Amino acid sequence: KAGVTQTPRYLIKTRGQQVTLSCSPISGHRSVSWYQQTPGQGLQFLFEYFSETQRNKGNFPGRFSGRQFSNSRSEMNVSTLELGDSALYLCASSLYQTGDVTEAFFGQGTRLTVV
Amino acid sequence: QKEVEQNSGPLSVPEGAIASLNCTYSDRGSQSFFWYRQYSGKSPELIMFIYSNGDKEDGRFTAQLNKASQYVSLLIRDSQPSDSATYLCAVRRAGKSTFGDGTTLTVKP
Repeated sequence: KAGVTQTPRYLIKTRGQQVTLSCSPISGHRSVSWYQQTPGQGLQFLFEYFSETQRNKGNFPGRFSGRQFSNSRSEMNVSTLELGDSALYLCASSLYQTGDVTEAFFGQGTRLTVV
Repeated sequence: QKEVEQNSGPLSVPEGAIASLNCTYSDRGSQSFFWYRQYSGKSPELIMFIYSNGDKEDGRFTAQLNKASQYVSLLIRDSQPSDSATYLCAVRRAGKSTFGDGTTLTVKP
């Protein structure tokens, strides 16, 4: 069974640009969550999607947005990039959203560097 | 106060010893609890989850949950050098997972 696939793995962007990251969850998983991981802040929750609807959102500015498609694939967009957006962006998929006893499996992440 | 706090570490134990990792959380409504292992440069890997008070064992790993004390721990028996990693505690409620900052464990041969 294929795992969570994130693309691209590495990305270098310039300040002010925008970026789109992609996540394909495990087959059959309908919930996709996004996290930002930095050395100083640890793993920070961005948002979660279930059946194409954003169900939860973390404390990030509106420059961070996402969506989920009917096949459960999700994209995350960051506009007007700032140097502080440099981080590892992780996507996690799980089977259910409403049930809290669910395991979340992470993809390998996208390493974004803003210069 | 952080929502999920872990012992700051780093934690160093000799090979074969028991490593004890602790985590406290502030949200009493939290319903499920997870331990992830993250090797340097890699993404987190799920080790165990627990949602009922008590102990849950899986091989060399035992997770312990005490909801009254808002405390969850992970014990690693017979620690191996390959267990050297950062261990992340995650607490989940209503679809949202909150992670601790992690505890770095080093197992010395």
